[in-house]
Amino acid sequence: DAGVTQSPTHLIKTRGQQVTLRCSPKSGHDTVSWYQQALGQGPQFIFQYYEEEERQRGNFPDRFSGHQFPNYSSELNVNALLLGDSALYLCASTPWTPNYGYTFGSGTRLTVV
Amino acid sequence: AQTVTQSQPEMSVQEAETVTLSCTYDTSESDYYLFWYKQPPSRQMILVIRQEAYKQQNATENRFSVNFQKAAKSFSLKISDSQLGDAAMYFCAAYSGNTPLVFGKGTRLSVIA
Repeated sequence: DAGVTQSPTHLIKTRGQQVTLRCSPKSGHDTVSWYQQALGQGPQFIFQYYEEEERQRGNFPDRFSGHQFPNYSSELNVNALLLGDSALYLCASTPWTPNYGYTFGSGTRLTVV
Repeated sequence: AQTVTQSQPEMSVQEAETVTLSCTYDTSESDYYLFWYKQPPSRQMILVIRQEAYKQQNATENRFSVNFQKAAKSFSLKISDSQLGDAAMYFCAAYSGNTPLVFGKGTRLSVIA
């Protein structure tokens, strides 16, 4: 049973560019959440998607946007990249009621130069 | 809003010994769940143990156990018979139905052979 898969694993972008990260949830999960993890810090919640709609959002600017597809996979888009956007981006999937915890992917390491 | 605090940035333990990682949290919710996640250098967040707030009995998973003190809003993780493979970042996290999973800043655990 495949867990959460994320692509790409590493990415280098130039300041001002746009980037798209992808996530396929674990089989049986319909809710996808995205987190940003700066080096040496805990993950920070960006937003959550369920039924193709953004359900909750953390304290991130509108430059961060997302999408969920009918097969529950999701994309995270970041526009006008800043150096401070360099981080590990984690995708997590759950059933709508995640009482047994979130299942995480291995993340995408984004470096903005 | 929920907050999670881990006051120990780094801890170390001798192989085969026992170590306790501390965590405190704050929430206004009556129904919530607490988790400990492990993040090795491979970056993937791995669920170690979970605790349901309405259960008084402390959760146990093999060598891992928690000390859940609801009134004190404390949720510590005890690792017994520490192994070299336990070396990783450990994150305490909290979730309720109205908020997404919120993480602490983490504790880096080193295991000394």
